[in-house]
Amino acid sequence: LAKTTQPISMDSYEGQEVNITCSHNNIATNDYITWYQQFPSQGPRFIIQGYKTKVTNEVASLFIPADRKSSTLSLPRVSLSDTAVYYCLVGDNYGQNFVFGPGTRLSVLP
Amino acid sequence: DVKVTQSSRYLVKRTGEKVFLECVQDMDHENMFWYRQDPGLGLRLIYFSYDVKMKEKGDIPEGYSVSREKKERFSLILESASTNQTSMYLCASSLRGLAYGYTFGSGTRLTVV
Repeated sequence: LAKTTQPISMDSYEGQEVNITCSHNNIATNDYITWYQQFPSQGPRFIIQGYKTKVTNEVASLFIPADRKSSTLSLPRVSLSDTAVYYCLVGDNYGQNFVFGPGTRLSVLP
Repeated sequence: DVKVTQSSRYLVKRTGEKVFLECVQDMDHENMFWYRQDPGLGLRLIYFSYDVKMKEKGDIPEGYSVSREKKERFSLILESASTNQTSMYLCASSLRGLAYGYTFGSGTRLTVV
């Protein structure tokens, strides 16, 4: 399983765009990059997944450069309710389990 | 929507007690997982199961066991609870091998006194 590295914490203000970068230097050819979001007192929930280039959904965008050794989760115009921990996972979609690291604690300030 | 239900939201137990944490999912997911979450450490995998009566150790299985007699139910057992097992416990299920398919329960906050 590819090891991932993310910042432990980030602060932002309401209305700003937030970019959280995840490093995964040992990513394998079959690996996907998946992000989860966890609000306080809840379990994590899936946000977005990608393999290369850019993926966008109603919640976020995921940017993956050509070498795939890193990825960036982009949250447009954050609000207070986006305060959460964000986890980056790397693994192929046929693995039996995936490693959730410490994640990035995002605090959105008014 | 798939639901993963954990039997208790909060639990207080005494040192040395045998503790059962129950988890039920209402979709036909093959995989089920137990994690514990502690401040600054993220989610750490205790045990997982990819089929009935099958179990695999995760990263921190010591002091725990599991049981999966039915596909929808996965139980975590603390054989003799200790204070260092005070934590938030999260159950999850997923379709086999799909990284995007994890569904988590709301968690059980266990305090061992």
